[in-house]
Amino acid sequence: DIQMTQSPSTLSASVGDRVTITCRASQSISTWLAWYQQKPGKAPKLLIYRASSLESGVPSRFSGSGSGTEFTLTISNLQPDDFATYYCQECNSYSYSFGQGTKLEIK
Amino acid sequence: EVQLVQSGAEVKKPGESLKISCKGSAHTFASYWIAWVRQKPGKGLEWMGIIYLGDSDTRYSPSFQGQVTVSADKSISTAYLQWSSLKASDTAMYYCATLHSSAFDSWGQGTLVTVSS
Repeated sequence: DIQMTQSPSTLSASVGDRVTITCRASQSISTWLAWYQQKPGKAPKLLIYRASSLESGVPSRFSGSGSGTEFTLTISNLQPDDFATYYCQECNSYSYSFGQGTKLEIK
Repeated sequence: EVQLVQSGAEVKKPGESLKISCKGSAHTFASYWIAWVRQKPGKGLEWMGIIYLGDSDTRYSPSFQGQVTVSADKSISTAYLQWSSLKASDTAMYYCATLHSSAFDSWGQGTLVTVSS
């Protein structure tokens, strides 16, 4: 079973900031990684797939990078709507484990 | 984009059985993989299992193998998640989602399952 570890668990930032969330896989997953945003009481929303491909309709201030075991989600010019919890997920050969989540809070 | 509609909230007692559903809107739904994801109150997302509606090929997370059953009826574009004997620890929100481009791109609204004596 592949383990996904996100850091930090909580992140405080201000509107307009640039933030980065890191996700590490316990073994290489090439670029089989997705990022999701979840707001309280709502289903998760896909932001990024295949590590760096932006899902249709997602603002370009969201970007993803990485391959192998280390990945990052960067949000530039934070907007009020971006304060939420973010999850990474490995999507590698019928294995779809999530990271534990990163809560992005308003500073 | 596929629209997924899940069955309504359930309140059950420990030991009872339950089957919840996820119905898709697309006429090509039979060609989709549908995943189930658990989220316990205040906790993160956990992948449970995934099924291909075309031929019911099913894979489980090792953490959920033997604990739940994932099934589907492609004739009515519906996937199911089933328990034979619920426990209090099964209390959670359960989401279904479609697999596309190697990620879960469309999600149902969630089904809240509460197990309490």
